[in-house]
Amino acid sequence: ETGVTQSPTHLIKTRGQQVTLRCSSQSGHNTVSWYQQALGQGPQFIFQYYREEENGRGNFPPRFSGLQFPNYSSELNVNALELDDSALYLCASSLDSVSTDTQYFGPGTRLTVL
Amino acid sequence: EDQVTQSPEALRLQEGESSSLNCSYTVSGLRGLFWYRQDPGKGPEFLFTLYSAGEEKEKERLKATLTKKESFLHITAPKPEDSATYLCACARGGSEKLVFGKGTKLTVNP
Repeated sequence: ETGVTQSPTHLIKTRGQQVTLRCSSQSGHNTVSWYQQALGQGPQFIFQYYREEENGRGNFPPRFSGLQFPNYSSELNVNALELDDSALYLCASSLDSVSTDTQYFGPGTRLTVL
Repeated sequence: EDQVTQSPEALRLQEGESSSLNCSYTVSGLRGLFWYRQDPGKGPEFLFTLYSAGEEKEKERLKATLTKKESFLHITAPKPEDSATYLCACARGGSEKLVFGKGTKLTVNP
């Protein structure tokens, strides 16, 4: 057990809708990173938050946004859902924002867009 | 652009049959290489971090090694419970993200 939790476990939405996914990091971990994992692929970096500020972003459009709260929880919001957004969404927490810090992953949220 | 390539894509072994998984990388200024294990529908589980060429780490039946261009995950006398997808990821200095390979799906038959 990594101490990283995510909710919900599964979610079904229709194209054009908006979704919010939630993550609770390990206590004391100041950094949360979000990844998208399509079937049969490795995780792709969406963005990272460090002490409630966005600290870096991958090649994802602005309709992917996030928040990090002081209580080690965070959110990933996706607007105007597209079919290709169907994937496993993973959050990972780490002590610091340095890339060499070990990132501990949660169990993921499986999003299906119809 | 940073790239991580894992091979083979899939590997089927008999219980007790040792083998190696490969992770080759093209990452400018590598600062760390990570191995994770992922079971179907679950999040990746951390296994090892390697920081410099020549470094080796072991855990039970697994041993990870690192050179300047690639890393190997050696599995000695695997058991069916070692069946999973093994992911390799690289961290570049000055970057906050991990760059993952597509993974190797390992199946160990009893």
